[in-house]
Amino acid sequence: QQPVQSPQAVILREGEDAVINCSSSKALYSVHWYRQKHGEAPVFLMILLKGGEQKGHDKISASFNEKKQQSSLYLTASQLSYSGTYFCGTEFSNSGYALNFGKGTSLLVTP
Amino acid sequence: DAGVIQSPRHEVTEMGQEVTLRCKPISGHDYLFWYRQTMMRGLELLIYFNNNVPIDDSGMPEDRFSAKMPNASFSTLKIQPSEPRDSAVYFCASSNRGITQYFGPGTRLTVL
Repeated sequence: QQPVQSPQAVILREGEDAVINCSSSKALYSVHWYRQKHGEAPVFLMILLKGGEQKGHDKISASFNEKKQQSSLYLTASQLSYSGTYFCGTEFSNSGYALNFGKGTSLLVTP
Repeated sequence: DAGVIQSPRHEVTEMGQEVTLRCKPISGHDYLFWYRQTMMRGLELLIYFNNNVPIDDSGMPEDRFSAKMPNASFSTLKIQPSEPRDSAVYFCASSNRGITQYFGPGTRLTVL
């Protein structure tokens, strides 16, 4: 029941855009996005609840398509600080708050 | 405000030894999660507690793994006996009502 993330890795030049996808084979209640820099702990970015909402945080935003059981993370005008591994964590029900994390998407932003 | 505290940060042990990892959650948080991260399997949920009570331990790989939360400010994850395949980074995370999880710095475990 681990969600599938794509792509596995992406390399960008500073200022370019990227999209990271997260797909589930099971109906989702919520999707959580985290970023982890090398050697550090994952850091929370945002949560999306079912209902197809879209959220934004500076130049990072995300959408959640409940019918397709997938979420996408959008990084626009990427900055060097965006480099890291992005994980989506999926929650199947409104109880327990147990998250199933994908294997991550490695993002490298170069000057 | 202190974040999640884990100790030790690094642990190197020999196969067959007992290993105990420790976690102090953020004060006031009622959920505590233990994760294991490896290159092959990614970030896996091992067990989580709500108000010190284990809710779901289905992610605990074997009986060699056990976790306790004797009070709201302390939890342990024990591996006995340890094996080389247990080598990984173990994260503890806590949250308030389970929404945003705050991760600790992790313990890098190496079993020789």
